Amino acid sequence: AQSVAQPEDQVNVAEGNPLTVKCTYSVSGNPYLFWYVQYPNRGLQFLLKYITGDNLVKGSYGFEAEFNKSQTSFHLKKPSALVSDSALYFCAVRVTSGGSYIPTFGRGTSLIVHP
Amino acid sequence: NAGVTQTPKFRVLKTGQSMTLLCAQDMNHEYMYWYRQDPGMGLRLIHYSVGEGTTAKGEVPDGYNVSRLKKQNFLLGLESAAPSQTSVYFCASSWTSGAYNEQFFGPGTRLTVL
Repeated sequence: AQSVAQPEDQVNVAEGNPLTVKCTYSVSGNPYLFWYVQYPNRGLQFLLKYITGDNLVKGSYGFEAEFNKSQTSFHLKKPSALVSDSALYFCAVRVTSGGSYIPTFGRGTSLIVHP
Repeated sequence: NAGVTQTPKFRVLKTGQSMTLLCAQDMNHEYMYWYRQDPGMGLRLIHYSVGEGTTAKGEVPDGYNVSRLKKQNFLLGLESAAPSQTSVYFCASSWTSGAYNEQFFGPGTRLTVL
């Protein structure tokens, strides 16, 4: 079975501190990994993705993510959190299914940044 | 570009009523998807389409039907709504093939079934 897990329902961090939102995956073959952000009452927005190459991927709004093949993880990070980063974050992995690449999403992690 | 748009934004139905949700994209994307989002459940794929005239079932297809008569539109139908279908529905689209293509999401439709 191919899946993605976000082990934390909620992450709390103080503004200015570094943040990490965790994601682990299980997939046959090479994974393509994504992070999306959802602000209240909005659709999901793409943040960044890992396809191949450099394990550290940089994305929008100062976010980055590190691909770790041995630990099957793709954690989202930011050096200094902002209150405006408070949102719901989704990790996703794309897998093959009959030739179509159907993404699988984690359940989401609510990030709360305190002033 | 408007990106991905969804109509309507909100809707309240009575049990047994039918409705159609419309998704439109102006990015010439081949792939389109319908998801539902429920608290604690994340996003669950209902149906998807890999091109005009083709559709396929996702993780939770029961009670829904879809059609992709035009490349830019993807319709989600509820023939006989049930309270269990109360949810927020999101449409998404992506470029053809390539597992590395990210998805573009619409703003969502909040549906309540009484």
